Amino acid sequence: KAGVTQTPRYLIKTRGQQVTLSCSPISGHRSVSWYQQTPGQGLQFLFEYFSETQRNKGNFPGRFSGRQFSNSRSEMNVSTLELGDSALYLCASSIAPNTEAFFGQGTRLTVV
Amino acid sequence: DQQVKQNSPSLSVQEGRISILNCDYTNSMFDYFLWYKKYPAEGPTFLISISSIKDKNEDGRFTVFLNKSAKHLSLHIVPSQPGDSAVYFCAASASTGNQFYFGTGTSLTVIP
Repeated sequence: KAGVTQTPRYLIKTRGQQVTLSCSPISGHRSVSWYQQTPGQGLQFLFEYFSETQRNKGNFPGRFSGRQFSNSRSEMNVSTLELGDSALYLCASSIAPNTEAFFGQGTRLTVV
Repeated sequence: DQQVKQNSPSLSVQEGRISILNCDYTNSMFDYFLWYKKYPAEGPTFLISISSIKDKNEDGRFTVFLNKSAKHLSLHIVPSQPGDSAVYFCAASASTGNQFYFGTGTSLTVIP
């Protein structure tokens, strides 16, 4: 059974640009969550989707957005990139909300 | 506001001995707790979970203890192995909520 797949693995962008990250959950998983991890920080919750609906959003500016498709795949978008957006972005999928989440390897975003 | 705290950023243990990783939480609504292990450049891997109806859960060398009155949980690894060297995150959620809250992680080093 394939795990959670995140693409791309690494990304370098310039300040002011926008970026889209992709996440394919484990087959049969309908809940997808996104987290940001920066050095010295835990995983900061971005948002959670279930059945194409955003159920919850963390304390991040509106530049961070996401969506989920009918096949449960999810994308997150960050517009007007800032240097502080440099982080590891992790996607996790679970069968349903509030059950064990399985993480992808993450996308390492560097903003220069 | 950090609702889940791991107050020890790092821990070193001799191979074969017990590793004890601690986690405290503030939200009394949390009723489901998980531990994840993370190697560099990889996503977190689910280790073990516990619900608030239990005070202990075992899986091989890993045991999680929950003390609800103290709002404290701990992960015991016995015996510790060099391959256990990683960053360990605890996470908590409330069945009425839509997200997991993560601690900032404890870096465990098992010395051969």
